[in-house]
Amino acid sequence: AQSVTQLGSHVSVSEGALVLLRCNYSSSVPPYLFWYVQYPNQGLQLLLKYTSAATLVKGINGFEAEFKKSETSFHLTKPSAHMSDAAEYFCAVSGGYQKVTFGTGTKLQVIP
Amino acid sequence: GAVVSQHPSRVICKSGTSVKIECRSLDFQATTMFWYRQFPKQSLMLMATSNEGSKATYEQGVEKDKFLINHASLTLSTLTVTSAHPEDSSFYICSAGLAGRQSYEQYFGPGTRLTVT
Repeated sequence: AQSVTQLGSHVSVSEGALVLLRCNYSSSVPPYLFWYVQYPNQGLQLLLKYTSAATLVKGINGFEAEFKKSETSFHLTKPSAHMSDAAEYFCAVSGGYQKVTFGTGTKLQVIP
Repeated sequence: GAVVSQHPSRVICKSGTSVKIECRSLDFQATTMFWYRQFPKQSLMLMATSNEGSKATYEQGVEKDKFLINHASLTLSTLTVTSAHPEDSSFYICSAGLAGRQSYEQYFGPGTRLTVT
């Protein structure tokens, strides 16, 4: 069994400020973890993924996430928010062959 | 690489009619494709998993007679919403996994917005 919890359905940050989106997971097997971004009326775009290699994962658009097994967390960060980062972000976990479970999403608002 | 397309991107249909949505992997072969449904301001809900040449596996609570899935080739899966009703209005997203290995990554299509009037 696997599940994902995203803390905070809405997060607001000022342009240039740190972005922190929280994700905790549960998995009965070593997990693969993902962060996706979704813009309005569009599909999902992969930001980054953890696949049991380096615990600090760098993705596109300046985002990164750190896998912490002891905390069962995979929080997404970006040092400086940009207006174009405003979107919905989904954390996801996969513990087996391709089946992925998504979190409920966090909507990021960037305030100019 | 790993591009997935969906057609149409938007469709409006009348209640009682059927609508077909196509999902294609453009530059790779996908033995497995997934169909998701997303309600406004909510996460993706997996509807079914389709494997090329075999019957789809539906998630609990998803009516297989209403949501017909066909995965006739390694690059095409279709979802047909039969006898559509307004409550079927939603954003439908497909994804495809790479063939030939125990892939843990899916590639998503851009989604199809279905509105039933």
